[in-house]
Parts: sequence; C-alpha cells; structure tokens
Amino acid sequence: LAKTTQPISMDSYEGQEVNITCSHNNIATNDYITWYQQFPSQGPRFIIQGYKTKVTNEVASLFIPADRKSSTLSLPRVSLSDTAVYYCLVGGLNTGGFKTIFGAGTRLFVKA
Amino acid sequence: DTEVTQTPKHLVMGMTNKKSLKCEQHMGHRAMYWYKQKAKKPPELMFVYSYEKLSINESVPSRFSPECPNSSLLNLHLHALQPEDSALYLCASSQTQGTSPGYTFGSGTRLTVV
Repeated sequence: LAKTTQPISMDSYEGQEVNITCSHNNIATNDYITWYQQFPSQGPRFIIQGYKTKVTNEVASLFIPADRKSSTLSLPRVSLSDTAVYYCLVGGLNTGGFKTIFGAGTRLFVKA
Repeated sequence: DTEVTQTPKHLVMGMTNKKSLKCEQHMGHRAMYWYKQKAKKPPELMFVYSYEKLSINESVPSRFSPECPNSSLLNLHLHALQPEDSALYLCASSQTQGTSPGYTFGSGTRLTVV
C-alpha cells in the first residue's frame, strides 16, 4: 500500500489560496488519491478525489502530475473555518481487498 | 439520508465490562468500515465489511468483535478492553469496497476505558 508524506503543519491568512502537497512515490496503477478534512472530535469529511490531471469541485481543486507520484490540494480563499487537519489518502486493491490508509495529515491553521 | 449515525457519542466502560458501538447508514452503501483514532493521530483502519461479509481485519485484538447484521448496520462489540483502547472510534461507509467517490464518516464514539 502506497505511503503518503505531507507537511505536518501550515499557516495561512484568511482570503489566501492554500496548497497542500502530498508525496506518494509508490502509488500503484489502480490507486485513487483522496483528500479528507477533519475537525476536532468529528469524523473526516470527504473533500475531493482524483486519479490523474486536475479535478475541481465547489470547495477545492486537486492537481495530479503525469507521474502521479504527488498531488496538490488547492483551497481557494480560505477562511477561519478551514482550520482543520487535511489528510491525503492513496488506496487500491491489495491481497485482502480494497482499503485506504490515512497518512499523518497536515494541520492547517488559518489566521485572521 | 446522507449520513452515517454512530451511537453512543460517548461511552465510559470498565475493563471487565461488555459494551457495543453501533453504526447505521441508509445510503445503500455496501461497504462499511471501523477506524480507531487516538488524539492527534490519523485514523487507523480496523475492519472492513463488504456486502455484510468481513473483508479485512487489520490484526485487531479479539477483544474487539465486529458484526454486520444487515447492509445498513455495523456493530463493534467490546469486551475486556484496556485503558490504552481509549480513543475515538469512527465508522464509515462507501458505495462498494472502493474509494470512489470516497467514504462517508460518522462523528464517532468517544470511548474511555477506566
């Protein structure tokens, strides 16, 4: 199962764009890349998922280069309420079935 | 209904007690998951059920016993736990045992073992 590496923490200011990069050098052909947001004492919330190139939804964009060894979550114009932990996950089929493993996560702190 | 509901939200139990955590979803998802999360750590996968059958057990101690009575319900039976088992227990579901379009998580059960 591909291991992911993310920055431990990031600081930003309200209104700025935040880019969080995740490294997954051992990603397999059938692995998807998924990002989740988690607030304290809550379950993670799905943000975005992609396989290659660029994916955009109403809250974020996900950029995946051609070699798929990394991915970047882009949050446009963050607000104080975006302060949370952001997890990058890479998941695919393995001998036991399909599963995804959470990386250590990036603690984003948005300041006024 | 687009939620995963977990009960209870908080649970305190002694090391000799038997208790159960409950998870319910009505989204028609056929894969359900249990995760354990310690403070300031990422969630750790414990069990995966696919079409009501246990698909993955991540070498979890037998004092944790999962059960999937039907496609909407997932239980985690607890017996003879240790204080180090205190954690946030998260349930999740997905359409099938795959990540597209991602998991829906419940808010978790905060378990304290005394």
